[in-house]
Amino acid sequence: DAKTTQPPSMDCAEGRAANLPCNHSTISGNEYVYWYRQIHSQGPQYIIHGLKNNETNEMASLIITEDRKSSTLILPHATLRDTAVYYCIVVSNAGGTSYGKLTFGQGTILTVHP
Amino acid sequence: DAGVIQSPRHEVTEMGQEVTLRCKPISGHNSLFWYRQTMMRGLELLIYFNNNVPIDDSGMPEDRFSAKMPNASFSTLKIQPSEPRDSAVYFCASSLARNNEQFFGPGTRLTVL
Repeated sequence: DAKTTQPPSMDCAEGRAANLPCNHSTISGNEYVYWYRQIHSQGPQYIIHGLKNNETNEMASLIITEDRKSSTLILPHATLRDTAVYYCIVVSNAGGTSYGKLTFGQGTILTVHP
Repeated sequence: DAGVIQSPRHEVTEMGQEVTLRCKPISGHNSLFWYRQTMMRGLELLIYFNNNVPIDDSGMPEDRFSAKMPNASFSTLKIQPSEPRDSAVYFCASSLARNNEQFFGPGTRLTVL
């Protein structure tokens, strides 16, 4: 599996955009970038995923660089409830030994403050 | 849909006792995953099933751990005998096959004294 690198922590003011970076320089052609988050004392929650195009849903936007070696998760208007650990995960969607195996690293602790 | 259901939510037991954790996946999902989370090791995949068949159990720490999925709506993770180092939060997750959007349950917090 390709590995990811994320900053250990970030702060963001409520109402502002939170931009969470992730490096995945060894990503291979059939691997997707997934983002999950874990709010304190809860199970992880899927946010968004992408292959090479930028993606947007009701929760966030995902920007993937053209060379696919890094990505940024954007929470456009962060709220206090977005305080959580955010995990960037690279995984294949097409079978093989890594399929279905989400490898959670240490993630980024995002703190949204008033 | 009620989401993934886990029971019990909290379990306190003494070293040497058998512990059984239970999981009901989301109806229609055919992949099921068991994870363990500790402060030291983070969130680790223990085992996953596809269509009730164990596909990869390489994350199961040792023979004291076993998991079963007798049908599409129920799975168990058993620890026998339990040890203090097994204390952790155990999560169950489910998904549709060929889809890495996994839905996690609320977890079972296990404390082994």
